[in-house]
Amino acid sequence: IVMTQTPLSLSVTPGQPASISCKSSQSLKDTKGKTFLYWYLQKPGQSPQLLIYEVFNRFSGVPDRFRGSGSGADFTLQISRVEAEDVGVYYCAQSIQLPPTFGGGTRVEIK
Amino acid sequence: VQLVESGGGVVQPGRSLRLSCVGSGFIFGNYGMHWVRQAPGKGPEWVAIIWFDGSKVYYGDSVKGRFTISRDNSKNTVDLQMNSLRVEDSAVYYCVTTSSTFDLWGRGVPVIVSS
Repeated sequence: IVMTQTPLSLSVTPGQPASISCKSSQSLKDTKGKTFLYWYLQKPGQSPQLLIYEVFNRFSGVPDRFRGSGSGADFTLQISRVEAEDVGVYYCAQSIQLPPTFGGGTRVEIK
Repeated sequence: VQLVESGGGVVQPGRSLRLSCVGSGFIFGNYGMHWVRQAPGKGPEWVAIIWFDGSKVYYGDSVKGRFTISRDNSKNTVDLQMNSLRVEDSAVYYCVTTSSTFDLWGRGVPVIVSS
């Protein structure tokens, strides 16, 4: 499954919103209604970390300014008010089918 | 709670390398384990998974037949045996366990395949 993210990069003023799109080459929803779409953030010099699982569920400790949405094969990650600590590369990923695949990434920087 | 990888380095094409990862601070034997790699400037690429009890393994197409994942729950370790290495296998290799309730990545270990 091919994961396509847009845009490639974003430059955001602190306190302003940001939005990242992720489209998959096929639906990520299984026959039981679960959708296997995840969002990860890789901060500079660090390993990726899970932000959102199954489209819209924030992982433990993730601030509520991060919001995941979407369905089927079309998904969005929104940051309501970007902060300096949100800088890094965001990746969407799917695990409905092996092999799990990642999008190409969206780099978020602060203006 | 951590995963620590070791065994990376510089190796010539066609040669072998074995990566190891040791987990601590959690019940290692309860979790499936992955190896994920990331080439410089690229997104992560999934390499392999081994079930929590070692009963099943799966590989990415680019490494199938060359890499072998294994684990020893008595030692809290998961290994990746990499044979017939290619230049395109060069990347940082991460040991990972990730689910809706538990997400843990090691710091990664570099593998450079070069003549």
